[in-house]
Amino acid sequence: GQQVMQIPQYQHVQEGEDFTTYCNSSTTLSNIQWYKQRPGGHPVFLIQLVKSGEVKKQKRLTFQFGEAKKNSSLHITATQTTDVGTYFCAGRRSSASKIIFGSGTRLSIRP
Amino acid sequence: NAGVTQTPKFRILKIGQSMTLQCAQDMNHNYMYWYRQDPGMGLKLIYYSVGAGITDKGEVPNGYNVSRSTTEDFPLRLELAAPSQTSVYFCASSYLGAGEETQYFGPGTRLLVL
Repeated sequence: GQQVMQIPQYQHVQEGEDFTTYCNSSTTLSNIQWYKQRPGGHPVFLIQLVKSGEVKKQKRLTFQFGEAKKNSSLHITATQTTDVGTYFCAGRRSSASKIIFGSGTRLSIRP
Repeated sequence: NAGVTQTPKFRILKIGQSMTLQCAQDMNHNYMYWYRQDPGMGLKLIYYSVGAGITDKGEVPNGYNVSRSTTEDFPLRLELAAPSQTSVYFCASSYLGAGEETQYFGPGTRLLVL
C-alpha cells in the first residue's frame, strides 16, 4: 500500500538556525499538503502543492514538490521559538484515494 | 462559522464500555475523516466519508464504526473499548474539488481506556 515517510523524526536546533524536513512517498502523489501541530494542539493546514517541481513560500517557510511528485520538503529559515511543533506532510495518489499522513518531524528550539 | 467541533473533550472508559465521539462541521464540506494519534506519534486514518451516506475504512478501522447520515455530522462509535484505543481522536473535514483540498481539524477528544 501507499506509504509516506518523513525524516528526520526529531530535530533540535538553536534559535536562528535553519530547519528542513523531508517527505517521501512510495507512489506518485496528486498533491501534497503540509500541516503544523503545536504541542497539545490539533494539526493546522499550512499549504498544498499540486504541480511537479512547484515551490511556494510563506515568509520564512519554503515548500517544494519534487519533479516526480513523490517527495517534498519544508525548509524554515532562521527558526524562531514560535516554530516549535510537529510538521506533517500528507498526500493522496488521486482524489479517489485515501489521504496518508507522514509520521511527522518534531521541531524543538533552544532559545 | 464554528468550523469543526468535537465532543467530549476528554473521557475515561472502562474496558468493554461503549461510547460515541461526536463530530460536526458547518462548512458544508463533502469529505470528513476520523484520525487517532497515539502519544508522540503521527496520525492514523480510522474511517473517512466522501459524502452523506458514504463511508470507507482507513488504515486502522478495527474496533470502530461510523455513520454519515448528514453532511454536517460524522460520529465515531467504539463498541467494546480496549486499552489499545487510548489515544487522542481528531475529526477533520475538507472540500475536495478541482484538486484543491484543505483539511480543517477539530480540537480533539482525549480518550483513556482503563
